[in-house]
Amino acid sequence: AQKITQTQPGMFVQEKEAVTLDCTYDTSDQSYGLFWYKQPSSGEMIFLIYQGSYDEQNATEGRYSLNFQKARKSANLVISASQLGDSAMYFCAMSDNYGQNFVFGPGTRLSVLP
Amino acid sequence: EAQVTQNPRYLITVTGKKLTVTCSQNMNHEYMSWYRQDPGLGLRQIYYSMNVEVTDKGDVPEGYKVSRKEKRNFPLILESPSPNQTSLYFCASGNRFRDISSGANVLTFGAGSRLTVL
Repeated sequence: AQKITQTQPGMFVQEKEAVTLDCTYDTSDQSYGLFWYKQPSSGEMIFLIYQGSYDEQNATEGRYSLNFQKARKSANLVISASQLGDSAMYFCAMSDNYGQNFVFGPGTRLSVLP
Repeated sequence: EAQVTQNPRYLITVTGKKLTVTCSQNMNHEYMSWYRQDPGLGLRQIYYSMNVEVTDKGDVPEGYKVSRKEKRNFPLILESPSPNQTSLYFCASGNRFRDISSGANVLTFGAGSRLTVL
């Protein structure tokens, strides 16, 4: 069975600083996908970034990058130059080999301080 | 506008009274799925569908049913709701991320439906 662990229930970061949100995963699949989603206080779920298990380069999307360490089974999200609008809940998720079955972590609440 | 629409957004009901939460997407996605979100547990997948008439159980399917008669619609049915099904429910549809061979479905979520069962 797949499992996602996010050990940081809450994080604080100063505006304009970088922050790393931790995510570790467990799976027996050889092929899988890793995702990060953002949930602002308004409640919607927003896709941020994707990393395939066979991708050798770390994924980047604007200020977001995914630090993928396959041997450690970790997929940490790095947000550079934090903004007040980055304050939200962040979920790490993974999909199975076929991209059908999704498992989410419990989330990390990030608060950006002015 | 590309979107996933869920209804109702808020519902208070009583134990045993059948209810349906509708979900519709206008992006022609083949993949659709349902999740429930509970504090401290993140989102848990209830059911998913790879295409019309093709559905499969997620991690927490007990007490729920789904159907996929049309590509755009994927309703969630609670035949006999119980208080432990009080939760925030999300419907999502998915499309392949950039490379179709990657196998990854990037999810577009609906706004959520907050259900309370008394």
